[in-house]
Amino acid sequence: DIVMTQTPLSLSVTPGQPASISCKSSQNLLQRDGKTYLYWYLQKPGQPPQLLIYELSNRFSGVPDRFSGSGSGTDFTLKISRVEAEDVGVYYCMHSFQHPRTFGQGTKVEIK
Amino acid sequence: EMQLVQSGGGLVQPGGSLRLSCVASGFIFSDDWMTWVRQAPGKGLEWVGNINQRGSEINYVDSVRGRFTISRDNAKSSVYLQLDSLRPEDTAVYYCARDDRSTFLFDCWGQGTLVTVSS
Repeated sequence: DIVMTQTPLSLSVTPGQPASISCKSSQNLLQRDGKTYLYWYLQKPGQPPQLLIYELSNRFSGVPDRFSGSGSGTDFTLKISRVEAEDVGVYYCMHSFQHPRTFGQGTKVEIK
Repeated sequence: EMQLVQSGGGLVQPGGSLRLSCVASGFIFSDDWMTWVRQAPGKGLEWVGNINQRGSEINYVDSVRGRFTISRDNAKSSVYLQLDSLRPEDTAVYYCARDDRSTFLFDCWGQGTLVTVSS
């Protein structure tokens, strides 16, 4: 199984400041079709997860452009250009390269 | 608007069984794979398994294979998760999600249902 490792596990950010979360996979997630099947989800308190980024860097419909995904191979990053209060929650990376899908441990983002 | 409504959680003794249901609306259910994800109390997300459009391909995480069964009824726009031989470590909130087959993303999630395995 592919292991997804996120850092840091928690982050406290001042509103308006940037934030960055790293995710590393134990295996290259680049498929033969040229796509990288890496996803980012945000789980706000008391809610199911919601999709932010799919296929490495594509923002899902309705996701603010302050969120961006980047990386390649086994190293990936989610960046929030200017954190807002509504961004609090736990962020997860996940791959869909093969079965089973696996998630990172999650990164809890709090507002200072 | 796409929606998934779950039912069927509860308290069950170790070794017992439970069936979770997830009813879809707002999209063509028979066109999509469906996925189950769980979250133990205070823990992260764990992918449980998925099922293709016709139910002819089903995948499971190793920890549940042989004990859990995913099925679907396209006529009822429903996907099911049968949980057998339950263990305390299966205690979790279980989510169903639409699994887009072209992009492999989960863009619609159920509200979650709590399964508690305890004597």
